Amino acid sequence: AQSVTQPDIHITVSEGASLELRCNYSYGATPYLFWYVQSPGQGLQLLLKYFSGDTLVQGIKGFEAEFKRSQSSFNLRKPSVHWSDAAEYFCAVGPFSGGYNKLIFGAGTRLAVHP
Amino acid sequence: GAGVSQSPSNKVTEKGKDVELRCDPISGHTALYWYRQSLGQGLEFLIYFQGNSAPDKSGLPSDRFSAERTGGSVSTLTIQRTQQEDSAVYLCASSSDRVDYEQYFGPGTRLTVT
Repeated sequence: AQSVTQPDIHITVSEGASLELRCNYSYGATPYLFWYVQSPGQGLQLLLKYFSGDTLVQGIKGFEAEFKRSQSSFNLRKPSVHWSDAAEYFCAVGPFSGGYNKLIFGAGTRLAVHP
Repeated sequence: GAGVSQSPSNKVTEKGKDVELRCDPISGHTALYWYRQSLGQGLEFLIYFQGNSAPDKSGLPSDRFSAERTGGSVSTLTIQRTQQEDSAVYLCASSSDRVDYEQYFGPGTRLTVT
């Protein structure tokens, strides 16, 4: 069955520190992978996505993610965290099927940033 | 341009009552999705509309849940005889028929069943 696992429910980092949020997926075909961010009271915003090609993808707000097929992972990274990055982060996987993309989400990782 | 909008932003209802949640997708987007986000949970797919095709209702948790999309635009999610376990944030998303699959999400409707 298709699934997405985000092993860390909560992560706390200091402002300026580096960040890595983990995401593992289970999917039978070549996955389409996404990271979304949800700030308090806000809808979800797409940070980045991977469809094919270069396995290191760059997103908005200085985030990047690396697709590792051998590890079934798509970890999100940022070299220096800002206080405004405090939010909940969701990894998602979706199929390619004629433009239809039912996303399967992980449970999310809540990021807190200490000054 | 305008993003996905949802109304109401908050809804408190008594157990057993029916509720309707509304979603206005981005103009021109052919696909529309409903998800549910329960406390401490990820997003759970509910239903999907694409153009004039039959909707994919595979995620609806029970027959108390239904949704329609009128004129290929606005969608209404209806929950009949609400239960306390229906309390959640209901998110709507829309996407175009381009092959980039980006779904644009609305701010959600927080439903509380008392």
